[in-house]
Amino acid sequence: DTGVSQDPRHKITKRGQNVTFRCDPISEHNRLYWYRQTLGQGPEFLTYFQNEAQLEKSRLLSDRFSAERPKGSFSTLEIQRTEQGDSAMYLCASGFLGGGLAGPYEQYFGPGTRLTVT
Amino acid sequence: AQKITQTQPGMFVQEKEAVTLDCTYDTSDQSYGLFWYKQPSSGEMIFLIYQGSYDEQNATEGRYSLNFQKARKSANLVISASQLGDSAMYFCAMREGADDKIIFGKGTRLHILP
Repeated sequence: DTGVSQDPRHKITKRGQNVTFRCDPISEHNRLYWYRQTLGQGPEFLTYFQNEAQLEKSRLLSDRFSAERPKGSFSTLEIQRTEQGDSAMYLCASGFLGGGLAGPYEQYFGPGTRLTVT
Repeated sequence: AQKITQTQPGMFVQEKEAVTLDCTYDTSDQSYGLFWYKQPSSGEMIFLIYQGSYDEQNATEGRYSLNFQKARKSANLVISASQLGDSAMYFCAMREGADDKIIFGKGTRLHILP
């Protein structure tokens, strides 16, 4: 399977615990995006990397959230001191400059990690 | 103001009929792009079609076409000859200018009836 993969697919945690999610993009893609999707809504942008550089962060990304892409390949999204409002699907997407049906802006999404905070 | 508006929360369509999913957008940028994604119950977002703001012709991909009306800021998705497997959530989305992030609408849940 050469698509975007995310791990774990499901995570249940207690309020106040820390969680970390992993995203492995399509190998030749240099751009990686994180989105959050709550029930009944469309995905909302959180942050984006080009190679290992984090180029943009949404105001949704509070100081409890941190994302890294240390070698420009896989990325991790960590949430510290989780709150019930963090319960959502966390989607990762990857893309590359210069190609695809949608030109340089096409993004391929992974299956998501569903987080439930109890 | 909402950047992407999808006014149809849900739609029921008979199999083999054509269906139009509505989308209007709001931007002051001259350069932008419009996307449609499908999200089945499994949760994965599947890219369907893309229209750049400078593209003169409406985008088509198989049974999907995007009815782009720039003056009306409308980017409706047309699915021809609907199939049971088309039942899913459909999201209209936009990127603006040189910005790389995608802004999504709230989606339309499409049900195809046998």
